Amino acid sequence: DAGVTQSPTHLIKTRGQQVTLRCSPKSGHDTVSWYQQALGQGPQFIFQYYEEEERQRGNFPDRFSGHQFPNYSSELNVNALLLGDSALYLCASSLPSLSSYEQYFGPGTRLTVT
Amino acid sequence: SQQGEEDPQALSIQEGENATMNCSYKTSINNLQWYRQNSGRGLVHLILIRSNEREKHSGRLRVTLDTSKKSSSLLITASRAADTASYFCATAEYGNKLVFGAGTILRVKS
Repeated sequence: DAGVTQSPTHLIKTRGQQVTLRCSPKSGHDTVSWYQQALGQGPQFIFQYYEEEERQRGNFPDRFSGHQFPNYSSELNVNALLLGDSALYLCASSLPSLSSYEQYFGPGTRLTVT
Repeated sequence: SQQGEEDPQALSIQEGENATMNCSYKTSINNLQWYRQNSGRGLVHLILIRSNEREKHSGRLRVTLDTSKKSSSLLITASRAADTASYFCATAEYGNKLVFGAGTILRVKS
C-alpha cells in the first residue's frame, strides 16, 4: 500500500519563475492538503482539496494555486516566485471527516528560490 | 499564524531518560495531534487525542490534554537515539485543517 508520494524531491528556481509540485495521496484517501514549512518553523496550511474543489484556504496570496484531479492526485502551483517561497512543501492526505482523522504526510518537496 | 506553541524549543537527554514536551494552544479544538519529523522530511503521525479525552497511551508515548488550560504534553519514556527528531503538536480545526506549533527539537545522546 503506497503512502503519500510527492515529486520532485528537490527543486531550484529563480525569482519570478513559476513552479508546479505534485502529490499522490495514500490509497483510499480523497482529501489532499498542502503545507509550507520554512526552515526552523512548523508547517503552515496553504489549502485543502476535496472532490476537485478547494475546500479551505490558509493565509497565502493568490500566487499559490492548486488543482485536484479525478484520481485524487493534486498539484500546487506557485507563480512569480519570491525568495521567501523557499521552503519544504508538504502534501498530506486524509479521509473527509468532521471528526478529523490523522493526516498522512509525504516526504515533501524542498524548493529553493535564488 | 501558529496556534500551538511547544515548550521547550530544544531538549537534549541521555538514552534511557524520559522526554517531556509541552504544547499550548489558543482556541477551542476538536482534537490535538502530535507528529514527529526526522531531518526536515515528512511528518509522521504519532498520536491523536480528542477534546473529550484526558490521557492516551501508545507504546512508549503518553499524551495528556487539559482543555481548561488549553495545553497538552507528550511524554516519551525510555528514550532511544532513534527518537532524535523534531516534535510538533497540531490542533485540528473544522475540515481537518491542522495548525502546527513551532516544534521541539529532541536530541537523544547514546
